[in-house]
Amino acid sequence: GAGVSQSPSNKVTEKGKDVELRCDPISGHTALYWYRQSLGQGLEFLIYFQGNSAPDKSGLPSDRFSAERTGGSVSTLTIQRTQQEDSAVYLCASSQDGVNTEAFFGQGTRLTVV
Amino acid sequence: AQSVSQHNHHVILSEAASLELGCNYSYGGTVNLFWYVQYPGQHLQLLLKYFSGDPLVKGIKGFEAEFIKSKFSFNLRKPSVQWSDTAEYFCAVNPYNQGGKLIFGQGTELSVKP
Repeated sequence: GAGVSQSPSNKVTEKGKDVELRCDPISGHTALYWYRQSLGQGLEFLIYFQGNSAPDKSGLPSDRFSAERTGGSVSTLTIQRTQQEDSAVYLCASSQDGVNTEAFFGQGTRLTVV
Repeated sequence: AQSVSQHNHHVILSEAASLELGCNYSYGGTVNLFWYVQYPGQHLQLLLKYFSGDPLVKGIKGFEAEFIKSKFSFNLRKPSVQWSDTAEYFCAVNPYNQGGKLIFGQGTELSVKP
């Protein structure tokens, strides 16, 4: 596609519910990243995919967070049993190969947990 | 731990003033360096990047940055700002061999008064 696409753009959920956030990277990009942007925490790295595997999951804040990528393309970030502190903008980015290449960011999904 | 520090949280300038935003990082190895910009309501966009070679790099819209390895710094400059430069600016570091993972600074909000 022309750019990184994320859906939904906004999500309001009740505390304790599970949510799934979707990312469609730029076609042909093998590297995919999830970040979280929140007040007071700035932009935090969550997880990095190279193809369908995730060599770096070091930023996932707890075991309630998981992500997968299928077909070397679409990725889904799942948050189970959401908490109010999960409220943030979740950003997805992709890059050509993850080596000396720039990352292109999507518009993000704004998650509000009430 | 690897970290990126941006010196200014909020900068207010008048049009035509010169801009310098500081960025320092803590990582002893080889790094790739980036400045991203987020205009109000828009996604993160790349301003400029440094991978190797000339430490003075030029980006879009008249921005430039200088990598000073001995100071672990990558400061952003623009000789004359415009109202349209009002945005949030993020410095980011990609430690070499970490698959393109970005470590971001806290961001600097720039407000340019017409």
